[in-house]
Amino acid sequence: AAGVIQSPRHLIKEKRETATLKCYPIPRHDTVYWYQQGPGQDPQFLISFYEKMQSDKGSIPDRFSAQQFSDYHSELNMSSLELGDSALYFCASTKTSRSSYNEQFFGPGTRLTVL
Amino acid sequence: GDSVTQMEGPVTLSEEAFLTINCTYTATGYPSLFWYVQYPGEGLQLLLKATKADDKGSNKGFEATYRKETTSFHLEKGSVQVSDSAVYFCALSPNAGGTSYGKLTFGQGTILTVHP
Repeated sequence: AAGVIQSPRHLIKEKRETATLKCYPIPRHDTVYWYQQGPGQDPQFLISFYEKMQSDKGSIPDRFSAQQFSDYHSELNMSSLELGDSALYFCASTKTSRSSYNEQFFGPGTRLTVL
Repeated sequence: GDSVTQMEGPVTLSEEAFLTINCTYTATGYPSLFWYVQYPGEGLQLLLKATKADDKGSNKGFEATYRKETTSFHLEKGSVQVSDSAVYFCALSPNAGGTSYGKLTFGQGTILTVHP
């Protein structure tokens, strides 16, 4: 079965550079979530999109922005990178329904290292 | 806001030992509860879930029961294997009308190491 695809899997950037992370949800899924997992930390919710509109926002820095496109893939744009942005970034997708359980399926993550 | 607290780790066991990882939560309303597992270098995989009080989630020999009175969702397995070595996360999401939706809030994770 198709899974959530994230690219790139690994990314190395210098401080103050920009980075773009991409997420391709499972086909027919309409909702995408982004999470950040620092070293030895639990995943923290950043932002989510439902039907291409932002649906919720968590602890996402102002330097970060994200969007969901017409084909439902999503991109997380990160500018003025800081050392503390080094983390594993997960994307998860689901088909949102109010009449059934909405399991979130996670991608393998993008490991961002800021030097 | 919502929060999840897991027992301090890491946990080290011998193969075939009994496993318990404690998880308690704070949330408004009646959230859905989950256990996720993360193997080294991999993403998060849903292990089991429970969407209402007294539900028991189970999968691959793991079990957890949604206890509303104690706001707990402890993970148990009767006989662990070396292949169970991983990081385990307890998590919750809001629930409306019996359907879970929305962002997941995770506990801090518990590292489990099982020795032969």
